[in-house]
Amino acid sequence: GQSLEQPSEVTAVEGAIVQINCTYQTSGFYGLSWYQQHDGGAPTFLSYNALDGLEETGRFSSFLSRSDSYGYLLLQELQMKDSASYFCAFRSYNTDKLIFGTGTRLQVFP
Amino acid sequence: EAGVAQSPRYKIIEKRQSVAFWCNPISGHATLYWYQQILGQGPKLLIQFQNNGVVDDSQLPKDRFSAERLKGVDSTLKIQPAKLEDSAVYLCASSLASLGIRETQYFGPGTRLLVL
Repeated sequence: GQSLEQPSEVTAVEGAIVQINCTYQTSGFYGLSWYQQHDGGAPTFLSYNALDGLEETGRFSSFLSRSDSYGYLLLQELQMKDSASYFCAFRSYNTDKLIFGTGTRLQVFP
Repeated sequence: EAGVAQSPRYKIIEKRQSVAFWCNPISGHATLYWYQQILGQGPKLLIQFQNNGVVDDSQLPKDRFSAERLKGVDSTLKIQPAKLEDSAVYLCASSLASLGIRETQYFGPGTRLLVL
């Protein structure tokens, strides 16, 4: 089957660094994406890894290791506005549709 | 550039009633998606259109859900009759193309449906 697993919740304080992990099962996929969703809001695209390694976009970085079926989103210099749910997702070769993970709720405290 | 528009934003109905949602994608986006997001879960694809043709509707409960995309622009999603388990947020998204390369989907604000 195809699935992506994430921790349900992560907490951190302002200014800290937090890592949200994503482990997945699939027979093949194009790349790993990350989306942010604030309560009551729409998912918004954050980052994409087509290849293994680290992609950096400002305070956010995303990592992919296909050999380990693992990826993570790293958020640095946390701000209160980063409190949201974060989803990893991939588009598989088989179905060609975007499949989302279970989601991680990040709470940032002052 | 205007984003993906959806209406209504909220809807409360009783079970066995019918409901329809509307979506206007970003101008020029050929691909349109409808997702169902149950509270505490990730979005699940219901149906994908490429222009006005259906690409994937394998997870659409066709006995009660239907969708169309007339003229390859706006789309409507209908539920008839609704069940309690249909309570969810229905998200519409669009993208320039649906290829398996780097492709970003832009989501609308969603319609929150509560079935009583």
